[in-house]
Amino acid sequence: EVQLVESGGGLVQPGRSLRLSCAASGFTFDDYAMHWVRQAPGKGLEWVSGISWNSGSIGYADSVKGRFTISRDNAKNSLYLQMNSLRAEDTALYYCAKEMTTTVGPFDYWGQGTLVTVSS
Amino acid sequence: EIVLTQSPGTLSLSPGERATLSCRASQSVSSSYLAWYQQKPGQAPRLLIYGASSRATGIPDRFSGSGSGTDFTLTISRLEPEDFAVYYCQQYGSSPGLTFGGGTKVEIK
Repeated sequence: EVQLVESGGGLVQPGRSLRLSCAASGFTFDDYAMHWVRQAPGKGLEWVSGISWNSGSIGYADSVKGRFTISRDNAKNSLYLQMNSLRAEDTALYYCAKEMTTTVGPFDYWGQGTLVTVSS
Repeated sequence: EIVLTQSPGTLSLSPGERATLSCRASQSVSSSYLAWYQQKPGQAPRLLIYGASSRATGIPDRFSGSGSGTDFTLTISRLEPEDFAVYYCQQYGSSPGLTFGGGTKVEIK
């Protein structure tokens, strides 16, 4: 059974940093690209960042470019999101998601999310 | 970046009725890399349709997707009580700039 479990969220002051983790199991982690998607309270889905299976291709939404860094450790079946210079508008539930295929695909499995609240 | 515009924002229908949701892209979506997701309150999104018209594993056949280029449609042929939720379209062909639409809420009339 595929499982994605996010952790690392919490309350943080503006300008500070936070590192999110996603532990994956139930599939061959290093075969698939992985992504972070966020959802602000009461709002829609926003793609944040994605990373290819071998970390060779990485992308970011304009809203987080230069502040967030995605990475993965295939030996540990884990995905990470380093978030620096956090702003109030980064407050959201952050989901980890797996691509459906080993090439280009939608997201077939999602975690339950970890909540990040940026507030003084 | 491809912008996806979903309409209507809210659809008020009764169980048994047909729901038609629209997703329009600001530029052509390559190879019909268009997906639809369902999200219920307190839950993560669930993949319904990919490749514009292929149903994901376990999705009932009352859900169908169609379209190409810039215009896509999700149709629910007969609404069941569990279908009342928010639906999002997503284009995944122009990595790294993957995008979601703003969502359509299907509510009970």
